Amino acid sequence: AQTVTQSQPEMSVQEAETVTLSCTYDTSESDYYLFWYKQPPSRQMILVIRQEAYKQQNATENRFSVNFQKAAKSFSLKISDSQLGDAAMYFCAYRRGSGGSNYKLTFGKGTLLTVNP
Amino acid sequence: GAVVSQHPSWVICKSGTSVKIECRSLDFQATTMFWYRQFPKQSLMLMATSNEGSKATYEQGVEKDKFLINHASLTLSTLTVTSAHPEDSSFYICSAPGGLTSTDTQYFGPGTRLTVL
Repeated sequence: AQTVTQSQPEMSVQEAETVTLSCTYDTSESDYYLFWYKQPPSRQMILVIRQEAYKQQNATENRFSVNFQKAAKSFSLKISDSQLGDAAMYFCAYRRGSGGSNYKLTFGKGTLLTVNP
Repeated sequence: GAVVSQHPSWVICKSGTSVKIECRSLDFQATTMFWYRQFPKQSLMLMATSNEGSKATYEQGVEKDKFLINHASLTLSTLTVTSAHPEDSSFYICSAPGGLTSTDTQYFGPGTRLTVL
């Protein structure tokens, strides 16, 4: 079974600084997707970024980027120029390969990010 | 991204009554939807996979007769908590894979907070 591990229950960062959230996963599959979701106090789950395992290039979305190390099964999220609105719980998630819309997500336990003004 | 709605956003009910929660995909069709439960400061726990036109698939330990799922159309899935008790109080979230471009990414509803008195 796949597992996702987020080893940092809480992190804090100063506004405008950069922070990296860690995520490791375990799978025997070669085709899969990885995601970072953000859950602010409203509790709405928001997709931050996604990475296809077959792509070597790291995904980026504006201030958010990932460091995807497939061999090490590591998938960290870097937030640059942190803003107060980035404060939230961040979940790393894994989904097995393409072709099936019924493939479920496996979530990590989450990292609570605080942004200090 | 794709939009998923949930109704109601919060509900308070008496012990022993049943509560229905709706999950709708607003701008896309979803043959599959997922139902999660989330306790405070914890990760999302998958309860079941809802399949349009067929029976739902429940995760181990989830009572099928307690949490009834009906996927009546390609845009609507409902979760009914039957004979609710205070221990059923939780935050329930649905998600659906898809949208206009891909079924590989899940999009989440805003959640429903259930309080059973």
